[in-house]
Amino acid sequence: DTGVSQDPRHKITKRGQNVTFRCDPISEHNRLYWYRQTLGQGPEFLTYFQNEAQLEKSRLLSDRFSAERPKGSFSTLEIQRTEQGDSAMYLCASSFPTGLTEKLFFGSGTQLSVL
Amino acid sequence: AQSVAQPEDQVNVAEGNPLTVKCTYSVSGNPYLFWYVQYPNRGLQFLLKYITGDNLVKGSYGFEAEFNKSQTSFHLKKPSALVSDSALYFCAVRDTTSSTLGRLYFGRGTQLTVWP
Repeated sequence: DTGVSQDPRHKITKRGQNVTFRCDPISEHNRLYWYRQTLGQGPEFLTYFQNEAQLEKSRLLSDRFSAERPKGSFSTLEIQRTEQGDSAMYLCASSFPTGLTEKLFFGSGTQLSVL
Repeated sequence: AQSVAQPEDQVNVAEGNPLTVKCTYSVSGNPYLFWYVQYPNRGLQFLLKYITGDNLVKGSYGFEAEFNKSQTSFHLKKPSALVSDSALYFCAVRDTTSSTLGRLYFGRGTQLTVWP
């Protein structure tokens, strides 16, 4: 168990640019989640996958945001035409589904700064 | 709407003293409740969960939490705090009746500081 890894750890970009983050879940976990955390707030749900299927999306996930998990393994989160309000920590988590009691394993996150 | 409130941004306690980190929740159905801890530069880590049954739940690192349905609370407790317990603690709830079964709703977090 090498844990959930996220890349990059930090990303600085200019407003209007596109950015892409990667998440590698724990290998036997078939559920993968994306959350966003801003300073002083708890994580907010963005979306989640079971295998390659995207099962749920938050209204926070505007048209500029897209997430994929093409082979049911790693996932990418892309933000197009970034805005300063997108600055946040983007967290990825994975789990092995045990129903509603499952616990999530989080990565260390990607800190995005939009200038 | 599902929500979690952590009324204290910070909790300070001396080492060896008991600690309590408060959490209240609001869900439309039966709640599944969780506590996670976040250490600096590390991902959130699961501490404990309440599903059904005994209202006192024991978790990792000597932590426990008490579920109170009438007060809609799920306070995190530890009988004797350690300096190494200093971290950011998040309460979270999963609603069992809504269509949004995949998501957790997190509180804003409480920074716990234990001084020597």
